[in-house]
Amino acid sequence: ETGVTQSPTHLIKTRGQQVTLRCSSQSGHNTVSWYQQALGQGPQFIFQYYREEENGRGNFPPRFSGLQFPNYSSELNVNALELDDSALYLCASSLDRGETQYFGPGTRLLVL
Amino acid sequence: GQQLNQSPQSMFIQEGEDVSMNCTSSSIFNTWLWYKQDPGEGPVLLIALYKAGELTSNGRLTAQFGITRKDSFLNISASIPSDVGIYFCAGITQGGSEKLVFGKGTKLTVNP
Repeated sequence: ETGVTQSPTHLIKTRGQQVTLRCSSQSGHNTVSWYQQALGQGPQFIFQYYREEENGRGNFPPRFSGLQFPNYSSELNVNALELDDSALYLCASSLDRGETQYFGPGTRLLVL
Repeated sequence: GQQLNQSPQSMFIQEGEDVSMNCTSSSIFNTWLWYKQDPGEGPVLLIALYKAGELTSNGRLTAQFGITRKDSFLNISASIPSDVGIYFCAGITQGGSEKLVFGKGTKLTVNP
């Protein structure tokens, strides 16, 4: 059974650009959550998707958007990148809403 | 917003020593979780606590869910070099929100 995978592992973008990060959930998991982890900080909740619908959102602007596909994989899109968007972006999947969240290795994004 | 205050921020100990770290909050949490994060990896779940007053062990790790539901601690006994990493507490609040609220982490260094 494969765990949560994320791609790419690293990414460099410039201010104003757009980025798409991808997450494949663990087999059988229908819920995906996304977190942003700045250097030296704990992860901050961005949003959660359950069966292709958004199921809760943290304090992030609308330029952070997401999608969940019928196979429960997910994308995080960030438009109009800012320098402060530089962080490790973590995806976590769970068997169902409210169940234990298992994290992927993350995508490290650097915005120049 | 909700915030978890985690202490200490960092610890330097000798192999074989016991370690204790804790998390407090002004908000009530229904679930407390402890994660460990190694460099370049996502957080890995160590212990989950679901009831006020609950004391749970996982090998050399012991964690407790505070009676007030506003705090939790994690103890590591007889530390070994592979215990090195950043330990995060995380909580889930009442009310149906599935998001994890994380502390800022405790960085543990174990000297052989």
